[in-house]
Amino acid sequence: AQRVTQPEKLLSVFKGAPVELKCNYSYSGSPELFWYVQYSRQRLQLLLRHISRESIKGFTADLNKGETSFHLKKPFAQEEDSAMYYCALRDEGNQFYFGTGTSLTVIP
Amino acid sequence: EPEVTQTPSHQVTQMGQEVILRCVPISNHLYFYWYRQILGQKVEFLVSFYNNEISEKSEIFDDQFSVERPDGSNFTLKIRSTKLEDSAMYFCASSEGRTDTQYFGPGTRLTVL
Repeated sequence: AQRVTQPEKLLSVFKGAPVELKCNYSYSGSPELFWYVQYSRQRLQLLLRHISRESIKGFTADLNKGETSFHLKKPFAQEEDSAMYYCALRDEGNQFYFGTGTSLTVIP
Repeated sequence: EPEVTQTPSHQVTQMGQEVILRCVPISNHLYFYWYRQILGQKVEFLVSFYNNEISEKSEIFDDQFSVERPDGSNFTLKIRSTKLEDSAMYFCASSEGRTDTQYFGPGTRLTVL
């Protein structure tokens, strides 16, 4: 079953523009949702998780259980935000399911 | 800052051969994981390991795969008889606790010819 869907494979925005990376999930229990980021030639690293409800590098994501979404947003994109972004879900069995990723390019 | 390390960075093998991918998790972490990412596809969970035994595994993790913590620092993934479709990037991760943040290694690219 496709647990995590990231509909956009590629996303380009201009520097200073708002950015939203979409993530939808399907899971009947209580999932935990994450955003991971992979900068060029670097390892996968946690960007944020929904339970901590914090903003990292200006990014926020709100879990919307009604729409089963966990979209990642930033009001003003920076060039250094260019990276691959993965949405992930951890189920109650502690198994992770990743989306296919969205490659974000911020155009100077 | 401590990091998860993986060796080798790239492994090329012939179909049917055994490979062992190595990982050194962060030293005070207790949970260890393997993931794989076939080129162009999503990162897929393979297995988690705690207290010297598998705690969860996905349906991908069949009898061809095994994991081991042979000593106090290494965590290995063995693929017994590689197939072409095992070609992928394999990521190791570790976390302090079961629900704590997982820290990923840089990955090992496995190419099966």
